[in-house]
Amino acid sequence: EAGVVQSPRYKIIEKKQPVAFWCNPISGHNTLYWYLQNLGQGPELLIRYENEEAVDDSQLPKDRFSAERLKGVDSTLKIQPAELGDSAVYLCASSLDSSSTDTQYFGPGTRLTVL
Amino acid sequence: TQLLEQSPQFLSIQEGENLTVYCNSSSVFSSLQWYRQEPGEGPVLLVTVVTGGEVKKLKRLTFQFGDARKDSSLHITAAQPGDTGLYLCAGGRGAQKLVFGQGTRLTINP
Repeated sequence: EAGVVQSPRYKIIEKKQPVAFWCNPISGHNTLYWYLQNLGQGPELLIRYENEEAVDDSQLPKDRFSAERLKGVDSTLKIQPAELGDSAVYLCASSLDSSSTDTQYFGPGTRLTVL
Repeated sequence: TQLLEQSPQFLSIQEGENLTVYCNSSSVFSSLQWYRQEPGEGPVLLVTVVTGGEVKKLKRLTFQFGDARKDSSLHITAAQPGDTGLYLCAGGRGAQKLVFGQGTRLTINP
């Protein structure tokens, strides 16, 4: 069974440029998450989707970040414009359901470098 | 302010030694999960504990959830180079909201 797929794996852009990340969750998983992981830190939740609905986006910087999950499957996370401080790994995860103990399966992440 | 504090942040030991990693908080969690993350990969779930005082074993790894559900520990017996990685604890607070600690970077030297 395929795991969570993310692309691109690496992205280098100049500040003020836009960037987009794509995530394909495990088939049948209703819940999808985007996390940000800074170097030497644990992941921090940006947004959580239940099917196509964003149910928790309280940590998403909405002035420059946006996300969508059309048709409740794939998702994209966009930053426009990117700032130097956005350099980090962006992780996507999915889970079957929304139980607090349900296993979250993580993708390999997209490493963003903003110059 | 880090909701979950992990200690130590870095640990480098020789193969065959034992070690314990701690995850502490002043908050109560409904569940506590431990993940291991290798370079260039996402975290992979090792275990979930939900009951205060619960102990779970995974081969040479022993996980314990504190009685008050505020802290947890991970003990590794006879560490091997394959145990090298970033160990993350994550507390569950209802409806799939996980709060991660900053991680313990473990290096096992042959």
